[in-house]
Amino acid sequence: KAGVTQTPRYLIKTRGQQVTLSCSPISGHRSVSWYQQTPGQGLQFLFEYFSETQRNKGNFPGRFSGRQFSNSRSEMNVSTLELGDSALYLCASSSRGDTQYFGPGTRLTVL
Amino acid sequence: AQSVTQLGSHVSVSEGTPVLLRCNYSSSYSPSLFWYVQHPNKGLQLLLKYTSAATLVKGINGFEAEFKKSETSFHLTKPSAHMSDAAEYFCAVSDSGGSNYKLTFGKGTLLTVNP
Repeated sequence: KAGVTQTPRYLIKTRGQQVTLSCSPISGHRSVSWYQQTPGQGLQFLFEYFSETQRNKGNFPGRFSGRQFSNSRSEMNVSTLELGDSALYLCASSSRGDTQYFGPGTRLTVL
Repeated sequence: AQSVTQLGSHVSVSEGTPVLLRCNYSSSYSPSLFWYVQHPNKGLQLLLKYTSAATLVKGINGFEAEFKKSETSFHLTKPSAHMSDAAEYFCAVSDSGGSNYKLTFGKGTLLTVNP
């Protein structure tokens, strides 16, 4: 099976812009989770989607949002970018109640 | 709330010597525990997981971990380090209630392997 794929791999934006990141889960996986990784805060949970519904949300401002499509692909959006949003954004997929498998991540740099 | 503490942000070993990376957790429920490895500019790769079957869990690349409930620990070990083991290692605990859709991670331990 192909693994979790994320696009784009690298992204450079300026403050105030918005960005959309995409994640394609492993075939057959219906749960997609998103994490933010920074040197200071480490790995932090953003949100999780299952069957197009947000099932759980981490402690991030409303500028961070996501959605899931009927084919289980997921996108996350960050509006009004801030310098502190520079991070590696990781997507993970799983079967219901199973282990999470991570993609390679999208490296976002905000200038 | 769940939490994970990884003791030692940086561990350095010589090639061929044992590896020990420490992880302690806090959980209100019977936890599921995981070790992931991250090589530079890569995503997280699952090394092994504990889900209440056997307390000694064997993973990929010769790694194993032992779940000790009395000590709330889940330390990662490998008998003999290889240069390719140099990476950052993360311990994680699943969300309460047994569903694994939310992971809480430790801060990570950077493993350096010296020739």
